[in-house]
Amino acid sequence: QKEVEQNSGPLSVPEGAIASLNCTYSDRVSQSFFWYRQYSGKSPELIMSIYSNGDKEDGRFTAQLNKASQYVSLLIRDSQPSDSATYLCAVNMLKGNGNQFYFGTGTSLTVIP
Amino acid sequence: DGGITQSPKYLFRKEGQNVTLSCEQNLNHDAMYWYRQDPGQGLRLIYYSQIVNDFQKGDIAEGYSVSREKKESFPLTVTSAQKNPTAFYLCASSDRGGHSTDTQYFGPGTRLTVL
Repeated sequence: QKEVEQNSGPLSVPEGAIASLNCTYSDRVSQSFFWYRQYSGKSPELIMSIYSNGDKEDGRFTAQLNKASQYVSLLIRDSQPSDSATYLCAVNMLKGNGNQFYFGTGTSLTVIP
Repeated sequence: DGGITQSPKYLFRKEGQNVTLSCEQNLNHDAMYWYRQDPGQGLRLIYYSQIVNDFQKGDIAEGYSVSREKKESFPLTVTSAQKNPTAFYLCASSDRGGHSTDTQYFGPGTRLTVL
């Protein structure tokens, strides 16, 4: 089992709709969770971090964390064509002598005008 | 401007050559990382360093070498022993490294192509 798993997509939504991206992780005691956006040919950009169960909102983005289910999601409201990108889920897990970052393989999102 | 810089943006290498990729950060971060990204495979950790003059192998260190002589610099050398070096190389840094709430930030990347 991979440490962090995402559906690779592609996920297509019409402009103005809600895009829902999902991620599961293997280590129950993980404490930090992140969403990065990566445009084609560019490097990942941090868009959200979440540490506690529940929802965290930042503009059109909402991160949701459920530690009991080992599940983190990202909702993008009022999706825009500029949101078309690959979204990477990352989890900071305790491994061996310290914490390490693990990334999912990413979900490709296309917002159709 | 605070941030992470990588150079060059594009790099072409002939078979059998060693090349060095530069990564510099002015964020005063303790930890720095090198990842490789191939299409459809996500990010794979090559090396990381949590403190000056110390570094650890990641999942795919074979054929690569690093140094950490200064806090702000973490160059990566791709040696001729790396059999398939064509990839997008990403440098990242984080404030403390190894901490449960540590957050990584990425540089713009270097795209290496072997001719």
